[in-house]
Amino acid sequence: GAVVSQHPSWVICKSGTSVKIECRSLDFQATTMFWYRQFPKQSLMLMATSNEGSKATYEQGVEKDKFLINHASLTLSTLTVTSAHPEDSSFYICSARPPTGPLFGYTFGSGTRLTVV
Amino acid sequence: QKEVEQNSGPLSVPEGAIASLNCTYSDRGSQSFFWYRQYSGKSPELIMSIYSNGDKEDGRFTAQLNKASQYVSLLIRDSQPSDSATYLCALYPYSSASKIIFGSGTRLSIRP
Repeated sequence: GAVVSQHPSWVICKSGTSVKIECRSLDFQATTMFWYRQFPKQSLMLMATSNEGSKATYEQGVEKDKFLINHASLTLSTLTVTSAHPEDSSFYICSARPPTGPLFGYTFGSGTRLTVV
Repeated sequence: QKEVEQNSGPLSVPEGAIASLNCTYSDRGSQSFFWYRQYSGKSPELIMSIYSNGDKEDGRFTAQLNKASQYVSLLIRDSQPSDSATYLCALYPYSSASKIIFGSGTRLSIRP
C-alpha cells in the first residue's frame, strides 16, 4: 500500500515553455503533498506544501509565480514550472503521507527529471 | 545549528562488514524518526522507522534511538555493494507534526 505515482519520469523542454508534473496517491487520500527539488549531489530541498482545496505554502526563496501548484483533489497534486529556463533543470520529487497518523513517514513518487534546453 | 545533522561522507565500508550511520537532532520534542535510502538518480525510499528508545531490527538493518542523547543511528550488517547509496535521516519535530525534516544525507560506499 501507500503508493505515490509521479508522471512524467523525465521531460525535456525548450526554454520559455511550461511543464506540468503530476503526483497521484494511488491507494490513499492525501490532503497534503510535498514538492521537493534536488540538484545533482545535493540534498533534498522542500519547495512547497500542497494543500487540497487551498493555496500551497511555499518555502522561503521559492517563486510562487514560477512554480504553480494545484491540489484540486485528494489524490492529485500538480506542479507547473512556468517559463522554464536552463537553471530550472533539476530532479523534482513529490511525496505524501498516508493518513494513518503523524507517526508515519512520507512515501515518495519516483521523481521527474526536468531538462530545459 | 541544523535541526538534523549527518556526516556527509562518503563512508567507505568493506563488503560484509557493519556500516554505521549516525544522525543527531536538535529538537528534544522530536517524535518519529526515519531512515531513507536514496540511490543515485532515484527518489528516496523509506527503509526504517523508529519511535521509542532502543533498537529496532528489520533484516540486516537495525535502527537505534537515544532520545536523551538526541541521536539516531542505522546499522547495516553484512554490507553489500547494493547498499551503496545516500542515507537520509528524517524526523517529525514536535513543533510541526505534519512536516518531516530531512538531514542532508550520508553517502555510503561498500567496497568489494
